[in-house]
Amino acid sequence: AQTVTQSQPEMSVQEAETVTLSCTYDTSENNYYLFWYKQPPSRQMILVIRQEAYKQQNATENRFSVNFQKAAKSFSLKISDSQLGDTAMYFCAFMIIQGAQKLVFGQGTRLTINP
Amino acid sequence: DAGVIQSPRHEVTEMGQEVTLRCKPISGHNSLFWYRQTMMRGLELLIYFNNNVPIDDSGMPEDRFSAKMPNASFSTLKIQPSEPRDSAVYFCASSLWGSNEKLFFGSGTQLSVL
Repeated sequence: AQTVTQSQPEMSVQEAETVTLSCTYDTSENNYYLFWYKQPPSRQMILVIRQEAYKQQNATENRFSVNFQKAAKSFSLKISDSQLGDTAMYFCAFMIIQGAQKLVFGQGTRLTINP
Repeated sequence: DAGVIQSPRHEVTEMGQEVTLRCKPISGHNSLFWYRQTMMRGLELLIYFNNNVPIDDSGMPEDRFSAKMPNASFSTLKIQPSEPRDSAVYFCASSLWGSNEKLFFGSGTQLSVL
């Protein structure tokens, strides 16, 4: 079975700072995807970034980037130039590349961006 | 497309009552997932369907929970009888099986059982 662990229940930074959210996972699979989802107070689940395990290059989406360390089973999210709108719960998630897109989620990190 | 549509957005009911949550997936998607979110357990997969057939219901917590997908455009999650510990946000999500595209989530139903 796959497990995803987010060790930081809460984080808080000042606007414009850079913040890194941690995620580790456990799996015996070799082909999978990793995701970061954002859940603002509106409750909507918003995909932030996706990483294919077979790609060595770290994924980036504007101010969001990941540090994917496959051997260490680590997948951290870096948010640069943080904005007030980045305030949300952030979930790390894992999905095997086969058939149904079953997501296994971490417990989440509550991120607050302070003005 | 309007995305995944869930109803109601909020549901308040009394213990022992039957609760039905509804979901309309994105047109053309053939996989549908029901997730539950609580503070204690986070996001848990309850059940998922492929082509309207339940594939894995191992996450359904008890026999009080049941889910159906009578056609490609509609699914229900029913709790009968409801209990206070069922209070949670229930999400429906859909995707195209095997496409490795992202999962599309609905806005969730906030259920409160008093």
